[in-house]
Amino acid sequence: EVQLVESGGGLVKPGGSLRLSCAASGFTFSSYSMNWVRQAPGKGLEWVSSISSSSSYIYYADSVKGRFTISRDNAKNSLYLQMNSLRAEDTAVYYCARVRAHDGFGELKYYFDYWGQGTLVTVSS
Amino acid sequence: DIQMTQSPSSLSASVGDRVTITCRASQGISNYLAWFQQKPGKAPKSLIYAASSLQSGVPSKFSGSGSGTDFTLTISSLQPEDFATYYCQQYNSYPWTFGQGTKVEIK
Repeated sequence: EVQLVESGGGLVKPGGSLRLSCAASGFTFSSYSMNWVRQAPGKGLEWVSSISSSSSYIYYADSVKGRFTISRDNAKNSLYLQMNSLRAEDTAVYYCARVRAHDGFGELKYYFDYWGQGTLVTVSS
Repeated sequence: DIQMTQSPSSLSASVGDRVTITCRASQGISNYLAWFQQKPGKAPKSLIYAASSLQSGVPSKFSGSGSGTDFTLTISSLQPEDFATYYCQQYNSYPWTFGQGTKVEIK
């Protein structure tokens, strides 16, 4: 059974830092690209960052570029999100999500399949 | 960035009703469109990818269609467990973007 378990959330002051972790099990972690998606209280879903299976390709939403860093440790089956210079608008539940590839007219396209339960990050003084 | 617009934002329906939710992309995304269901306090659940392909384990009462800019999610016969918020998402290009959500409530 695929399991994704996030941890590391909590209360942090504006300008502070936090590191989220996602522990993966039930599948060959090193074969899959992974993502972070967040959801502010009462709001919709926002994609945050993607990392390919070997960390060769990394993408960020403009809202977090330069402040957040995604990484992974395939030996530990773990995904991370280092969040620096946090702002009130970063307050959200952060979800770890796996993606699968399908052949899209000659190129691979990636879609979400499994999600973790989320970890709440609150940025407030 | 590609904007995803869902309609309606909310709807009220009865058990047994057929429900259709629409998602429109601001530019063509081929069929790189996914749908998700989210219940209060829970993580999103993946329902459909590639506009019309069901994720493993998702019941066939859910179906998706569309290509280019216009897409639909249909629930053939609404059951109590289907009352939730539904999101569409494009994965044609980064940044991946979601619709604002459609809340399906009990009439």
